[in-house]
Amino acid sequence: GAVVSQHPSWVICKSGTSVKIECRSLDFQATTMFWYRQFPKQSLMLMATSNEGSKATYEQGVEKDKFLINHASLTLSTLTVTSAHPEDSSFYICSARDGGLTYNEQFFGPGTRLTVL
Amino acid sequence: AQSVTQLGSHVSVSEGALVLLRCNYSSSVPPYLFWYVQYPNQGLQLLLKYTSAATLVKGINGFEAEFKKSETSFHLTKPSAHMSDAAEYFCAVSEGTGANNLFFGTGTRLTVIP
Repeated sequence: GAVVSQHPSWVICKSGTSVKIECRSLDFQATTMFWYRQFPKQSLMLMATSNEGSKATYEQGVEKDKFLINHASLTLSTLTVTSAHPEDSSFYICSARDGGLTYNEQFFGPGTRLTVL
Repeated sequence: AQSVTQLGSHVSVSEGALVLLRCNYSSSVPPYLFWYVQYPNQGLQLLLKYTSAATLVKGINGFEAEFKKSETSFHLTKPSAHMSDAAEYFCAVSEGTGANNLFFGTGTRLTVIP
């Protein structure tokens, strides 16, 4: 089946620093990738949608200058949290969708837990 | 606009008992519906999906769900709970022909009592 990986699985950083999270589709080409944020014991909230080679589309209320998304290839998308603050601490999950037979399914990565001190 | 309501943030069942997790949706067009399971500190794993084919959908790990348009429901069931079923379950809806934006319910935590 389709596999999506995320790196790192967890990261701790100091306030004010930037953190990059990678999302890779391992065995398929992901024309679209999604970034979600999940607070403890809450549901997933879509942050942005990115299509390969295009600028990401951000959901209302998500700061595009703070959460930089790059989808430069069909197998890699990155989320950079710039000037991180403690309130950015969360579980970030990416998902990927291809344009083939599984067009109507998103495949999720294992998530990245970010802790900002 | 789409939305999903999961009734019951916590459900407890005894091992071997029936599992019923409720999901109601709202959608202005025929929906695509999904159930995902999430184990602690992990991503989401697809249990099953409804994509306008058979209304009774069978998934992995013995789970199944029935799409009922008249009730706008997509409840998840499993005849006999296993300890390994303890997890968080999310119902999600998307509109259109592809998995565009997925709108998730607030989740239901399933506890299985030995």
